[in-house]
Amino acid sequence: QSALTQPASVSASPGQAISISCTGTSSDIGGYTYVSWFQQHPGKAPKLMIYNVNNRPSGVSDRFSGSKSGNTASLSISGLQAEDEADYYCASYTSSNTLAFGGGTKLTVL
Amino acid sequence: EDQLVETGGGLIQPGGSLRLSCVVSGFSVSEAYMSWVRQAPGKGLEWISVFYSGGKRQYADSVKGRFTISRDNSMNTLFLQMNNLRAEDTALYYCTRGDYGGHVFNLGVWGMGTTVTVSS
Repeated sequence: QSALTQPASVSASPGQAISISCTGTSSDIGGYTYVSWFQQHPGKAPKLMIYNVNNRPSGVSDRFSGSKSGNTASLSISGLQAEDEADYYCASYTSSNTLAFGGGTKLTVL
Repeated sequence: EDQLVETGGGLIQPGGSLRLSCVVSGFSVSEAYMSWVRQAPGKGLEWISVFYSGGKRQYADSVKGRFTISRDNSMNTLFLQMNNLRAEDTALYYCTRGDYGGHVFNLGVWGMGTTVTVSS
């Protein structure tokens, strides 16, 4: 059982916007600003898409954005493209000085 | 360009031991926060251990007491010694570098992983 809770799947059509939630507790998401999001395509290594809740690494499209409210973080993707179809994982620093991942969300672009 | 290359995976019997290596290029392993993350077949990501640049180490409860993270600065290599392996340790093991944007767990660089299969 994952420490952080994500929906198993989400789907939308090209051009639409989606949001993926990631729910934790006050010992992880709620207590820190160290929430990150990773994109993983089949057979590939994960790629950092968002760090420190709402920051994008260089080279990541500005269609990707992050936010947090209380114990829940969210990843938003606007103007969906076929290449966005992938698995997405949230992660948060915890009060135990460890890293907790969410169970992952499969994004399908219809 | 920062690169991480993992080796050492393979098929091992339950109760056995294995040592994974992660050869680093483009930066010094001694100056970085390095973590191991694993992914069981068809499953999600699981963080298992971190080696802070200052020498502190941390482990997930699932591997504490069985796995040991270490590094060799002269070889610019990170290691993961895995003892008393169980079937549930079967996974693709990734070596990662943290500290992107200033935090140990902002995992900005990943290797391609090495596969560990624990089975009799």
